[in-house]
Amino acid sequence: GAGVSQSPSNKVTEKGKDVELRCDPISGHTALYWYRQRLGQGLEFLIYFQGNSAPDKSGLPSDRFSAERTGESVSTLTIQRTQQEDSAVYLCASSGRTGVRRGYTFGSGTRLTVV
Amino acid sequence: GEDVEQSLFLSVREGDSSVINCTYTDSSSTYLYWYKQEPGAGLQLLTYIFSNMDMKQDQRLTVLLNKKDKHLSLRIADTQTGDSAIYFCAETSGGGADGLTFGKGTHLIIQP
Repeated sequence: GAGVSQSPSNKVTEKGKDVELRCDPISGHTALYWYRQRLGQGLEFLIYFQGNSAPDKSGLPSDRFSAERTGESVSTLTIQRTQQEDSAVYLCASSGRTGVRRGYTFGSGTRLTVV
Repeated sequence: GEDVEQSLFLSVREGDSSVINCTYTDSSSTYLYWYKQEPGAGLQLLTYIFSNMDMKQDQRLTVLLNKKDKHLSLRIADTQTGDSAIYFCAETSGGGADGLTFGKGTHLIIQP
């Protein structure tokens, strides 16, 4: 597509429920990143996918968080047994082979509220 | 680990110049970026600068880099109400698994 698409744009869930967030990157972009943005904070790196290589999961805050990506297509970030501290905006970004120079293209994010 | 610091707020009058400052700690930073985030939106790349440059100009935007002091600034000339947003400074030492390290963002407030 023309840009990075994320869904849903807003999600309210009860504490303890599982949620799934979706990211559809720009077609042909090999790299895909998930970031978390808490209120008033900068962006916190969560996970990185590059093509068919094993993902870099070093930023995931706990084992309740997981993400998948098939090839160079859609990615899903799953949060199990959500907690109130998981409330944040989850941003996805993708980049092509020149990504380092041109930066990354971000989606509009999913605003997650855990009540 | 790497750290990127920014002031949280900047208030300027419409028509004046805005200067948003950023400091970083990673001496191996190769690319530095400025992103703009409007309410409810994702981050939009405004400009980037390679570490062997000290200045880059693009229309109303001027980026200055002092690599010795690890200081980056973004100057917006003739600030307009549409410039009201959060501005994020970010750096990377090469992309890939390193990703981008972001500051907490500077809220630019425009006074009429």
